Amino acid sequence: SQQGEEDPQALSIQEGENATMNCSYKTSINNLQWYRQNSGRGLVHLILIRSNEREKHSGRLRVTLDTSKKSSSLLITASRAADTASYFCATVPYNFNKFYFGSGTKLNVKP
Amino acid sequence: DTEVTQTPKHLVMGMTNKKSLKCEQHMGHRAMYWYKQKAKKPPELMFVYSYEKLSINESVPSRFSPECPNSSLLNLHLHALQPEDSALYLCASSQDPSNSYEQYFGPGTRLTVT
Repeated sequence: SQQGEEDPQALSIQEGENATMNCSYKTSINNLQWYRQNSGRGLVHLILIRSNEREKHSGRLRVTLDTSKKSSSLLITASRAADTASYFCATVPYNFNKFYFGSGTKLNVKP
Repeated sequence: DTEVTQTPKHLVMGMTNKKSLKCEQHMGHRAMYWYKQKAKKPPELMFVYSYEKLSINESVPSRFSPECPNSSLLNLHLHALQPEDSALYLCASSQDPSNSYEQYFGPGTRLTVT
């Protein structure tokens, strides 16, 4: 499968702590994107990182990309209860106009 | 307006029914997508429309029939579905089909087939 794999599958932390989730993929990519999904709802785009970028920030989010290891990580700093959701990475392979979602990480932030 | 709307929010249908899901966006996006998502699983791509033409069909059974009447609308016609087709159906759009840009998702239609 060309889908990415994420770990951990589930993560439970206290409010104020940082949350890190990882995504690994198999093929060379054009870009990698992270999405959040609240239970039973649509996905919300968080951040896009292109293959020639190594790190990107957006508010409390920090994304890194290591194309040599075919992996990416999403760091949420100073987490809040409202960050409770499932987080998916999505990869876009080169010359292949499809989106492949990873298996997802379910984050629970306890108040 | 950065919103993708989907109707209905919930749909219950019998295996002999015919129903349609609707999706609309007014962002001028030229690519639109249908995904199926089962509980605790990632979304699975079903169809991609590129400039109002079907460009990708992920070997979806013919009981699912997509339609793109114009650049803002996307329909998914359902007929003779099976209980295992029960899922959250998500519509998405993006600026162009290259996937160099993010996708915007609608809230989904929760479909139950009885």
